[in-house]
Formats: sequence, structure tokens, C-alpha cells
Amino acid sequence: EAGVAQSPRYKIIEKRQSVAFWCNPISGHATLYWYQQILGQGPKLLIQFQNNGVVDDSQLPKDRFSAERLKGVDSTLKIQPAKLEDSAVYLCASSPTLGGSSDEQFFGPGTRLTVL
Amino acid sequence: AQSVTQPDIHITVSEGASLELRCNYSYGATPYLFWYVQSPGQGLQLLLKYFSGDTLVQGIKGFEAEFKRSQSSFNLRKPSVHWSDAAEYFCASDQGNLIFGKGTKLSVKP
Repeated sequence: EAGVAQSPRYKIIEKRQSVAFWCNPISGHATLYWYQQILGQGPKLLIQFQNNGVVDDSQLPKDRFSAERLKGVDSTLKIQPAKLEDSAVYLCASSPTLGGSSDEQFFGPGTRLTVL
Repeated sequence: AQSVTQPDIHITVSEGASLELRCNYSYGATPYLFWYVQSPGQGLQLLLKYFSGDTLVQGIKGFEAEFKRSQSSFNLRKPSVHWSDAAEYFCASDQGNLIFGKGTKLSVKP
């Protein structure tokens, strides 16, 4: 079974530029998550989708971050414009059911973003 | 608000020695608890999880964890560490969404 795929793996941009990350979850997984992992910290949830609907985006900085999951499969996370403090690894995860607390989340390798 | 604390930022152990990584959570009810491992350039991999029942949980790669309600702890243990266990370990609690600790980096001396 293929795992969660993310691209690109690395991205370097200058502040105020825009960037987009792509995630392809495990086939058939209903729930998709985006996390931000700043160096030296644990991952922090940005947004959770069930199929193509948003379940939780309370920690997403909506003035600059946006995410979508068209057709309930792939997802993109965009930052526009980027700030220095957005430098982090962005992790995508998926789970097979509807995002209950007992669900195991399967993580992709992440995209490392550096904002100069 | 719920939180997860991993008091040790970095631990070094000798290969073959035993390991214990500490984790404390704060939440009124019994949470769902997880341990994940992250190797360099890799995503997080689930080692084990606790929901209810037996407080000693067995996981993959020879790891186990013990839930202690009285101490609000969920410490991860391994009796004999291998060089390939060098990685970062994250404890997490789920009460609606997954809250991670800051992680403990494990180094293994030959």
C-alpha cells in the first residue's frame, strides 16, 4: 500500500512570495490533516478535512494560509504571502475513517519550507 | 487547555542499554495517548497507542509504554536500544485533535 505522498520535499522562497504544497493521501482515506512543525517543536494541526469538507481550521492563519481538498482526495496548502516565521516542515497525514480520536494517522515525509 | 510535556529534549544512551522517555499530559479525563517516532527526513510513524484497558501497551520495534493515571504519565520504554532507534520521539494526546509534545531526540552511542 502506497503511503502519503507530498511534494515538493524542499522549498526555499523569499518573504512575501507565495508557495503551495501538495498532498496525496492513502487511497480511500476519508480524513486528511495538515500540520506545521517548527524546528524544535511537535507538529501543530493547521486544518482537518473529512472528505472534501473542513472539520477544523481553528489554528489556520486564514489571512495568509488557505487549503483545499477538491473531490475529497488530493489537497493543497497555500501560503500567500509568506513570512519568515512560516519556515517549518509541513506535514500531511491521513486516516481511514472519519477522524475519531482513536484513529491512527499516517504521515507523509513532509515539505521543508525555508523563508528568507 | 490540554497539553503534553516531554521534559527531556535530548537523551543519549549506549547501544544495548535500556531506555525510558518521559511524557506527561494534562487533561481531566483519560485521554487517548500515542507515541510516534520521526527519523530524519521521514514522516512520523506510530509506535503504540493507549485508549483504555491494560495500562501496559506493547508497540512495534520492541517498544512499550505504561499509562499511569495517578502521575498523568505515559512513559515509553525499551529494554535494549539498537543504533537504528536513534530518532526523535513524540508523545501525543488526542481529545478531538492530536496535541504533540515538543519531542525527545534520542542519540545512541556505539
